[in-house]
Amino acid sequence: EPEVTQTPSHQVTQMGQEVILRCVPISNHLYFYWYRQILGQKVEFLVSFYNNEISEKSEIFDDQFSVERPDGSNFTLKIRSTKLEDSAMYFCASLPIRQEDTQYFGPGTRLTVL
Amino acid sequence: GQNIDQPTEMTATEGAIVQINCTYQTSGFNGLFWYQQHAGEAPTFLSYNVLDGLEEKGRFSSFLSRSKGYSYLLLKELQMKDSASYLCAVRAVPQRRSKLTFGGGTRVLVKP
Repeated sequence: EPEVTQTPSHQVTQMGQEVILRCVPISNHLYFYWYRQILGQKVEFLVSFYNNEISEKSEIFDDQFSVERPDGSNFTLKIRSTKLEDSAMYFCASLPIRQEDTQYFGPGTRLTVL
Repeated sequence: GQNIDQPTEMTATEGAIVQINCTYQTSGFNGLFWYQQHAGEAPTFLSYNVLDGLEEKGRFSSFLSRSKGYSYLLLKELQMKDSASYLCAVRAVPQRRSKLTFGGGTRVLVKP
């Protein structure tokens, strides 16, 4: 069964450094999402992406965040200057263009900012 | 704003039934999803309701009442592997590609 994959599984970085989190959505999916989950808290929406542009973004997704689909398979989330409060699990999700309503989540990247 | 409430934690015995309630107040409604999340792992899809009534899928069933802003997930014949968090999520905007808004999750502990 096709899966969303994410790399790395765990990223440790120093405050102020840039990080790029990578996702490979399911191949026939065309809507892509980033969510995050701070330890012990709820899953929160960050941004959705379709047709090479942002469809929707939350108030969390400020100028420090950006997303890109650099090629036909990867979908990335960049945090330019990480803060301690960016420490969280970041989940990528994707949705097929038709027939299904379910967003499929990747295994997540645990980001730790020191 | 969006508000989705679930109990924080529930405990049940192996082989028993547990019902996890979810109430929501959202600016719109276009579907309610239940996901299972084991600790440190991704949410995995369990069920989807967009119309009132019961959806059954094996040991799991989900019910929706749109007029009451209420859903429940029913887990039957509980197994130890069902120990996990169960997340209720609402799609508030009438576009299937729109974001999901999650509740805080209900941690279910299944005891032998």
